[in-house]
Amino acid sequence: GEDVEQSLFLSVREGDSSVINCTYTDSSSTYLYWYKQEPGAGLQLLTYIFSNMDMKQDQRLTVLLNKKDKHLSLRIADTQTGDSAIYFCAETAGTYKYIFGTGTRLKVLA
Amino acid sequence: SAVISQKPSRDICQRGTSLTIQCQVDSQVTMMFWYRQQPGQSLTLIATANQGSEATYESGFVIDKFPISRPNLTFSTLTVSNMSPEDSSIYLCSVLLTEETQYFGPGTRLLVL
Repeated sequence: GEDVEQSLFLSVREGDSSVINCTYTDSSSTYLYWYKQEPGAGLQLLTYIFSNMDMKQDQRLTVLLNKKDKHLSLRIADTQTGDSAIYFCAETAGTYKYIFGTGTRLKVLA
Repeated sequence: SAVISQKPSRDICQRGTSLTIQCQVDSQVTMMFWYRQQPGQSLTLIATANQGSEATYESGFVIDKFPISRPNLTFSTLTVSNMSPEDSSIYLCSVLLTEETQYFGPGTRLLVL
C-alpha cells in the first residue's frame, strides 16, 4: 500500500535554510503537497507540485521532486521563528484521497 | 482558498457519550472530508461526506461509530458515538476546492475521560 515517510524533528537557527524531506511509495501520484500545522491550528496548504515537474519556487519556499527516487523536499530560505510548526507532506493516491506523512516538527532557534 | 469553520473548537467529554462536530464552508463545494489526527500522529481519512447520500467510509471506520450528515453543499456534521478515551483526537474537516487542492478547517480537539 501507499506509504509516506518523514523524519520526525528538525532544528535550525533563525536565518538559516531548512530542508524537510519526504519519501513516498506510490509512483502513480499525480500531485504532492506540503502542509503546515501550527500549534492548536488546522492544516495550512503551503504549496504543491505536479508530478511532471522537478522544482517549484514560491517566495521563500522551494519544492524539489525526484520521481526516480520518490523523494520530495521543502526548502525554507531565511527561516524565521514563525516557521516553527509541524510540516506534513502528502500525495494523492486517487483523485481526492490524500496520504499524509508522519510530519516533521521544525524548531527554529533564535 | 475557502473559509472553513468548525464547532466546537474543543471539548472534554465523558466516555459513553456522543459528540457532534459541525463543519461550515463559505462557498459551495462538491467534496467534503473528515479526518482524524490522533495525538502525535499523522492524519487519517475517516470518510467522504456525500451530499444527498450516505458517506463513504475508509477501512477501519464504520457508520455506527462515526455517522456523518451532509444536508447541503456548504455544511457537514460528524458524530463520534459512544466515546472511549481512544477517541481522543483532533477531528478535521476538509474540502476539495479544485481537482488538486484540499483545504482544512481549524480542527476540533476532543478529549474523552
